[in-house]
Amino acid sequence: GNSVTQMEGPVTLSEEAFLTINCTYTATGYPSLFWYVQYPGEGLQLLLKATKADDKGSNKGFEATYRKETTSFHLEKGSVQVSDSAVYFCALSVSGGSNYKLTFGKGTLLTVNP
Amino acid sequence: ETGVTQSPTHLIKTRGQQVTLRCSSQSGHNTVSWYQQALGQGPQFIFQYYREEENGRGNFPPRFSGLQFPNYSSELNVNALELDDSALYLCASSSSGRNLYGYTFGSGTRLTVV
Repeated sequence: GNSVTQMEGPVTLSEEAFLTINCTYTATGYPSLFWYVQYPGEGLQLLLKATKADDKGSNKGFEATYRKETTSFHLEKGSVQVSDSAVYFCALSVSGGSNYKLTFGKGTLLTVNP
Repeated sequence: ETGVTQSPTHLIKTRGQQVTLRCSSQSGHNTVSWYQQALGQGPQFIFQYYREEENGRGNFPPRFSGLQFPNYSSELNVNALELDDSALYLCASSSSGRNLYGYTFGSGTRLTVV
């Protein structure tokens, strides 16, 4: 089956620190990969995506590269801000008959202190 | 352009009762998916409705059922509530049955079963 494994949180950083949140996946088929962010009291927002190997998704200073050889999609940001504090979810969907659904990891809580 | 609206925002029910959660999809969207997010976990796919028909279902028992109406709004019904049904229920809409990239999530309904 399909599954996503994220690094366990919580992650606490100081403002302007470098962020990495690891994500690896298992998929039956060729997946598209996503990072979603959930701010307190809100729904999920798509942060970035990549649909094929070696693609790099980027948005708001966050980046993630689709690595097929290591089945990974790690999220990075060079300098985090307090406003980046949220829960981050890695997710995948598999093209083909069941690509209507997302399979999520458990989420990683990020707290950025001033 | 309005986003996805879910109601109610919070709900407390007793074990064995039935509950109905509602979702108004974003304007122009004809597809609605429902996800269950238990505390500290990633969202789990329940089912999807496309043009008023179920388009796919996750690993949830039949007491979880849904409807989509001609205006593309949707309901999630859960019968015979169990304590483990306590979770945040998220609705997501998109403009195409298999277009995951355009999903918009609502803020969710927090259901507590006591």
